[in-house]
Amino acid sequence: EVQVLESGGGLVQPGGSLRLSCAASGFTFNKYPMSWVRQAPGKGLEWVSLIGSSVIGSRGGNTHYAESVKGRFTISRDNSKNTLYLQMNSLRVEDTAVYYCAKCGGGNAFDSWGQGTLVTVSS
Amino acid sequence: DIQLTQSPSFLSASVGDRVTITCRASQGISSYLAWYQQKPGKAPKLLIYSASTLQSGVPSRFSGSGSGTEFTLTISSLQPEDFATYYCQQLNSYPLTFGGGTKVEIK
Repeated sequence: EVQVLESGGGLVQPGGSLRLSCAASGFTFNKYPMSWVRQAPGKGLEWVSLIGSSVIGSRGGNTHYAESVKGRFTISRDNSKNTLYLQMNSLRVEDTAVYYCAKCGGGNAFDSWGQGTLVTVSS
Repeated sequence: DIQLTQSPSFLSASVGDRVTITCRASQGISSYLAWYQQKPGKAPKLLIYSASTLQSGVPSRFSGSGSGTEFTLTISSLQPEDFATYYCQQLNSYPLTFGGGTKVEIK
């Protein structure tokens, strides 16, 4: 069974940093692009970042970011640990959201999602 | 960036109704469109990808159509478990974007 499980959320002050992790199981992790999507309280879905697959090496492929997080967030993967990461720096109040990890499947759509981890940026 | 406009944003319907949700893209995206269902407090669930391909395990009452700039999600006979919020997403180009969502509620 395909599973992705996020961790690392919590309360952080504006300007602070946090690293989210997503542990994957039940599929060949290094063959699939992975993504982060967030949802602010009571709002819709917002795509955050995506990292391509990488069969060669352990660190993953091309990376892409939403304009709202570019230069502050860094996506990475460790294929040897079947884990996806999101390093979030210079956090803002508007980054408060549930952050979901998702696996890319057919048509590069997001076919498996975690349960989400809540990030709250507040003083 | 490609904007996706969903309509309606809110829909009230009864069990057994045929429901259609529209997603319009600000520029052509071929068939690079997906549809998701989200229930309160839960993660989104993929229903349709490549505009019209039903994801494995999704009931056949869900269908998708369209290409270019106009797409539709149809639920042929609404069931109690279908009351949820539905989102479209374009996968044609970065940044990837979602529509604003359509909330389907019980009439």
